[in-house]
Amino acid sequence: AQSVTQLGSHVSVSEGALVLLRCNYSSSVPPYLFWYVQYPNQGLQLLLKYTSAATLVKGINGFEAEFKKSETSFHLTKPSAHMSDAAEYFCAVSAGGTSYGKLTFGQGTILTVHP
Amino acid sequence: NAGVMQNPRHLVRRRGQEARLRCSPMKGHSHVYWYRQLPEEGLKFMVYLQKENIIDESGMPKERFSAEFPKEGPSILRIQQVVRGDSAAYFCASSPSQGGADTQYFGPGTRLTVL
Repeated sequence: AQSVTQLGSHVSVSEGALVLLRCNYSSSVPPYLFWYVQYPNQGLQLLLKYTSAATLVKGINGFEAEFKKSETSFHLTKPSAHMSDAAEYFCAVSAGGTSYGKLTFGQGTILTVHP
Repeated sequence: NAGVMQNPRHLVRRRGQEARLRCSPMKGHSHVYWYRQLPEEGLKFMVYLQKENIIDESGMPKERFSAEFPKEGPSILRIQQVVRGDSAAYFCASSPSQGGADTQYFGPGTRLTVL
């Protein structure tokens, strides 16, 4: 079974500041990990994913995440926040191996960016 | 290539009525997942379907909910005798194959309001 914990339901940063959104996972098998972004009243858009290749994953819009097995973490970062980054972010896990891609999501983190 | 289509985008039903939510996957995708997003909660898996087959419905409420993905046409999530607790956003996602590493592409969602 898999689970995801996102630390901090709300994160507020100033424009230009570092963005750090935390995600810890639990999985009985090697996981695949995803970060999705959701803008108000829209669907989810994939930012990036880890599929057991490089542990540092680069995604769209300047975001990246690092898979740390020893810490069971997959934190999302961006060096410099833009106003357009304000949205809700979801970390998700699916089981690795041959299992199908049923996603287990964290509770989400709402990112607010101040001018 | 059109993305995942869902309709209607907004649906209002009175208690006891039926709700039918439709999802057309991306072209070439034969794997469909349904997720529900309740207010103040993250997304929860409901059901995974391939063409003409329900593979995993472990997240579906035992009563009143059903899903199908016929050989021709969209996937349908059906809720009979809706209650206020069914008010939520329902998202459909599709992927090209079964693998856990495959990206799931999300539709814009159907927001169901039960009066």
